[in-house]
Amino acid sequence: NAGVTQTPKFRVLKTGQSMTLLCAQDMNHEYMYWYRQDPGMGLRLIHYSVGEGTTAKGEVPDGYNVSRLKKQNFLLGLESAAPSQTSVYFCASSLSDTQYFGPGTRLTVL
Amino acid sequence: GQQLNQSPQSMFIQEGEDVSMNCTSSSIFNTWLWYKQDPGEGPVLLIALYKAGELTSNGRLTAQFGITRKDSFLNISASIPSDVGIYFCAGQLLVSNFGNEKLTFGTGTRLTIIP
Repeated sequence: NAGVTQTPKFRVLKTGQSMTLLCAQDMNHEYMYWYRQDPGMGLRLIHYSVGEGTTAKGEVPDGYNVSRLKKQNFLLGLESAAPSQTSVYFCASSLSDTQYFGPGTRLTVL
Repeated sequence: GQQLNQSPQSMFIQEGEDVSMNCTSSSIFNTWLWYKQDPGEGPVLLIALYKAGELTSNGRLTAQFGITRKDSFLNISASIPSDVGIYFCAGQLLVSNFGNEKLTFGTGTRLTIIP
């Protein structure tokens, strides 16, 4: 039981490049989330999903897209990366109120 | 977007001291959660509170759900080196059994233990 895993762990992009972050969970959780963490700002919700095939916007969705084609996976896409998207990205999943977090992806956009 | 006010932002203490931190919100929640984040890792749940006035312990950690439902407190007794990290509060307001489970996070309290 691996819990929540994230791929990749680190990535450096140039402005305008695109990439996809992958989150996988093996706990059969319905809910999945993508957060970004910036210094002094805690975690802010980007997008979330309440089940396979559904997604919804969180607090800071602009510049990101997501997909939940399979229950165990939640993908976060950046179509055209900007320096303001330099951050640490965390994925989480939950069955009810307890969210389990992945180890994070550190993204730098130059 | 809403963020919870968490204080203090940082604490420098000596091993063995007790620690207190709190979180306040302008709106009510029906669940309060406290997480700890170690460097390079994701947050891990420490304590969950579900009822106004509730006091819950987990080892040396004690957390309380404020009676107004707008605040919560976390205390750590007799701190040890592995307590070092960032502590986050999070509030949740469940609208229905099938409503989303969105959390609003505090800005974190960084705990450092001075040798």
